[in-house]
Amino acid sequence: EAGVVQSPRYKIIEKKQPVAFWCNPISGHNTLYWYRQNLGQGPELLIRYENEEAVDDSQLPKDRFSAERLKGVDSTLKIQPAELGDSAVYLCASSPPPRGTGELFFGEGSRLTVL
Amino acid sequence: AQSVTQLDSQVPVFEEAPVELRCNYSSSVSVYLFWYVQYPNQGLQLLLKYLSGSTLVKGINGFEAEFNKSQTSFHLRKPSVHISDTAEYFCAVSDRYGGSQGNLIFGKGTKLSVKP
Repeated sequence: EAGVVQSPRYKIIEKKQPVAFWCNPISGHNTLYWYRQNLGQGPELLIRYENEEAVDDSQLPKDRFSAERLKGVDSTLKIQPAELGDSAVYLCASSPPPRGTGELFFGEGSRLTVL
Repeated sequence: AQSVTQLDSQVPVFEEAPVELRCNYSSSVSVYLFWYVQYPNQGLQLLLKYLSGSTLVKGINGFEAEFNKSQTSFHLRKPSVHISDTAEYFCAVSDRYGGSQGNLIFGKGTKLSVKP
């Protein structure tokens, strides 16, 4: 079974540039999460999708971050414009129904460096 | 609001020695508890979880953890570590009920370094 796939693995951009990350969850997993992991910290939730609906985006900085999950499968996280403080690893995770039993399957992450 | 405190940021141990990684949590509601492991350049993977029942839970690779409700702790243990256990370990908590059910709140992580 294929795991959660993320791309790109690494991205280096200059501040004020846009960047996008893509995630393909495990087939059949209707819940999808985006987390951000700063250096030396644990992951922090940005947004959670149930199918195509964003049901928890309270931690997403909406002035510059946006996300979508068309057709309830793949998802894209976008930052525009990027700031120096956005340098982090962006993790995508998915989980099967029923939601709540806690096993999230994580991708390898997309490491963003903003210069 | 929930929070997770991992008391040690780094734990160096010698191979075949026992290890305990400490985790305390704070929550006003009932929670589920988890330990995830992150090997270098890899994604996080579930080590073990406590949902209900026996407070001693066993996970992969010989790890176990004990849920202590009165002390709000969920410490991770292994009686004899291997070089391959070198990784970063994250404790996490989520609500049992409500809209945020399933959202994991992570601690800052503990880097376990096993030396020969």
